[in-house]
Amino acid sequence: AQSVTQLGSHVSVSEGALVLLRCNYSSSVPPYLFWYVQYPNQGLQLLLKYTSAATLVKGINGFEAEFKKSETSFHLTKPSAHMRDAAEYFCAVSAGYSSASKIIFGSGTRLSIRP
Amino acid sequence: GAVVSQHPSWVICKSGTSVKIECRSLDFQATTMFWYRQFPKQSLMLMATSNEGSKATYEQGVEKDKFLINHASLTLSTLTVTSAHPEDSSFYICSAPRKGPGANVLTFGAGSRLTVL
Repeated sequence: AQSVTQLGSHVSVSEGALVLLRCNYSSSVPPYLFWYVQYPNQGLQLLLKYTSAATLVKGINGFEAEFKKSETSFHLTKPSAHMRDAAEYFCAVSAGYSSASKIIFGSGTRLSIRP
Repeated sequence: GAVVSQHPSWVICKSGTSVKIECRSLDFQATTMFWYRQFPKQSLMLMATSNEGSKATYEQGVEKDKFLINHASLTLSTLTVTSAHPEDSSFYICSAPRKGPGANVLTFGAGSRLTVL
């Protein structure tokens, strides 16, 4: 079984500051890991994904995440926050590659950006 | 890129009526679609997996007679909330996996906000 835990339901940073959103996973098989972003009243948009190729994954909008097996973590970072980054962020895990593989989402972290 | 269209984007209905939500993959075929439910300020809860040409697979605790899913073609899945009650008010989101390098990537619809009066 797979699960993800996102530490911190709400993170607030100043514009220009480092963004760090934490995610820890649990998986009985090598996981595929994802970060999605959701803007108000919208569906989810993929930021980046880890598929066992490279441990440091770069995504859209300047975000990146590092897979650390020893820590079972996949934290999301961005060096300098922008106001437009304010949104809900979800970490997710999948066990397989087939089209029927379920993706399980974490509880989400709301990112607020202070001017 | 891959697009999933969801309709309606919002709907208000009276208690006891049924509401149908459509999910279409516009430029790719989807033999599988996923239906999620999201309560305010909460995560997405997987309700069911919709399979083209066969019965949907429901997650534990989701009433299949309450939430009817039909996946009649490779580009369309529908979710019908039958005899809706106020507690069914929620944000419903569908998604379809498309093959990407190394893993499936879910493409999400924009969601349908259901309000039951």
